Amino acid sequence: AQKITQTQPGMFVQEKEAVTLDCTYDTSDQSYGLFWYKQPSSGEMIFLIYQGSYDEQNATEGRYSLNFQKARKSANLVISASQLGDSAMYFCAMREGFYNQGGKLIFGQGTELSVKP
Amino acid sequence: NAGVTQTPKFQVLKTGQSMTLQCAQDMNHEYMSWYRQDPGMGLRLIHYSVGAGITDQGEVPNGYNVSRSTTEDFPLRLLSAAPSQTSVYFCASSYQGGRAKETQYFGPGTRLLVL
Repeated sequence: AQKITQTQPGMFVQEKEAVTLDCTYDTSDQSYGLFWYKQPSSGEMIFLIYQGSYDEQNATEGRYSLNFQKARKSANLVISASQLGDSAMYFCAMREGFYNQGGKLIFGQGTELSVKP
Repeated sequence: NAGVTQTPKFQVLKTGQSMTLQCAQDMNHEYMSWYRQDPGMGLRLIHYSVGAGITDQGEVPNGYNVSRSTTEDFPLRLLSAAPSQTSVYFCASSYQGGRAKETQYFGPGTRLLVL
């Protein structure tokens, strides 16, 4: 069965430093997509970054990058130059299949990131 | 373009009461889904729909009913609320197909408390 594991319930990082949030996944599919979402205290889900299983390059979106290690089934989120506004809950999620099929995502338990000034 | 809207934002129910959580999207998306978020457990899929008239169960469907009579609306019904259904409920929509990073568009959530 497909599964997403985030082993860090909470993390602290100093402002302006980089931080890595861990995510491992389990699937028997060869085609899948991996997502990271940010959920601030206000509660909305904000899409950050996407990595397809066939993408050879690691995805990057501004200060966010995804360290994709397919053989190890890991998809860690790297946030460079942390800002106070990055304090939030972060979720890793997976979609099985190459194409969006019904909008079904499997989510990890989340990591709460706190950025210290 | 309002995106995905959910009503109500907050609701308190007594055990055994019924209610419907409303969800609407104005992006003409084929796919819509309902998730619940419990502390420490992330989001879990309740039901989803791939188009009007077509719905299917997700990971945690028990206690919930859905129907989709139009592309725009996807209500979630609790027939007899239980304290275990206390949660935050998110509705999401997305479009079909494509190879790229098509993402889910999430609504703002409905916080439900069942006493």
